[in-house]
Amino acid sequence: DVVMTQTPVSLSVSLGGQTSISCRSSQSLVHSDGNTYLYWYLQKPGQSPQLLIYKVSNRFSGVPDRFSGSGSGTDFTLKISRVEPEDLGVYYCYQGTHYPPTFGSGTKLEIK
Amino acid sequence: EVQLVESGGSLVQPGGSLKLSCVASGFTFSNYWMDWVRQTPGKSLEWIGEINTDGSKTNYAPSIKDRFTISRDNAKSTLYLQMSNVKSDDTAIYYCTTTSGYWGQGVMVTVSS
Repeated sequence: DVVMTQTPVSLSVSLGGQTSISCRSSQSLVHSDGNTYLYWYLQKPGQSPQLLIYKVSNRFSGVPDRFSGSGSGTDFTLKISRVEPEDLGVYYCYQGTHYPPTFGSGTKLEIK
Repeated sequence: EVQLVESGGSLVQPGGSLKLSCVASGFTFSNYWMDWVRQTPGKSLEWIGEINTDGSKTNYAPSIKDRFTISRDNAKSTLYLQMSNVKSDDTAIYYCTTTSGYWGQGVMVTVSS
């Protein structure tokens, strides 16, 4: 299985600040169809995960432009700018390129 | 508004069986592949499997293959997860998800004697 390694495990950010989360895969996530099926999810406390970013850099419907995704191959980054209170929770990366799809272990974001 | 509502979770004994349901609304259910994902008490997320639009094709994670079966009824906009020979490691919150990015609220399954 493809191993998704997220760093850091946790981070604390001031309101209005900026931060980034790294996700590395044990294999290239470029699919034979040319797409890279790398996603970012946020799980807020007491809620189910919600999609933020799909295929590396595309924001899902309703996701503010404070969230941006980048990367290629095996290295990916989620950047959050102008952090707001509702951004707290656990962020997960997820790959859908290789079977079985796999998740990272999560990065917990706390607000200072 | 897209809604996915899971049901059927409960306490079940090791070796037992359970069937989860997920009723979809707010989108054309028959047009989308659907997945099941679970989250363990330690918060790890695990993809369980998927089913294509007409139910003719399924893919499963090795950890549950031959024990779990995914099916769907497009006339009822409902996704199912039949769980058999359950183990304590199957204790988790089970979510149905669309391949377009929507998740249900989840349903708890506890496997314990």
